Amino acid sequence: SQTIHQWPATLVQPVGSPLSLECTVEGTSNPNLYWYRQAAGRGLQLLFYSVGIGQISSEVPQNLSASRPQDRQFILSSKKLLLSDSGFYLCAWSVWGTGRNTEAFFGQGTRLTVV
Amino acid sequence: GDSVTQMEGPVTLSEEAFLTINCTYTATGYPSLFWYVQYPGEGLQLLLKATKADDKGSNKGFEATYRKETTSFHLEKGSVQVSDSAVYFCALSVDNYGQNFVFGPGTRLSVLP
Repeated sequence: SQTIHQWPATLVQPVGSPLSLECTVEGTSNPNLYWYRQAAGRGLQLLFYSVGIGQISSEVPQNLSASRPQDRQFILSSKKLLLSDSGFYLCAWSVWGTGRNTEAFFGQGTRLTVV
Repeated sequence: GDSVTQMEGPVTLSEEAFLTINCTYTATGYPSLFWYVQYPGEGLQLLLKATKADDKGSNKGFEATYRKETTSFHLEKGSVQVSDSAVYFCALSVDNYGQNFVFGPGTRLSVLP
């Protein structure tokens, strides 16, 4: 069966420090991968998605970047965090190209607080 | 573009009350529709889904029917429990290749004993 791992679960970082959040998927190949951010009490904002190694689409211009160095690994980074980067970050994956009834599967999320 | 609209709440109900959370969508293609649930401090879990018109998704007593004519996918449950307290997200997906998901703003449900 497929599983998704996302870490760390919580993170407190000072303003101006770098960020690296990692997400890995097991049990599937060539998944679509996504990074979402959820501000407190708000809905989900799609930040990045990837349909293959090295292929990253950015939905929102911002202080963050994403990379996909391996098929099932998706990394969210920042060189210098801002206070506004605080939020709940969710990684997700979906099956590529198998039909209309695919859904997204989510990790447990990372609570980032920038202080 | 594609979008999902749902009542934002919060919705507060007594245990065993009937629940309806409205969801409507606009899509350029023929979307699949989903309801996700998020418990405090956790990621989203798929609650149910429907992939074509008139399909009914159901799970854990929750139901939603894909209504193409009204572009709606309302979530219902006949008798809610305290354990159903969570945030519920309506979502759609189009274009299976490089698939993107569009989520509604979420509806917070609180069920009181």
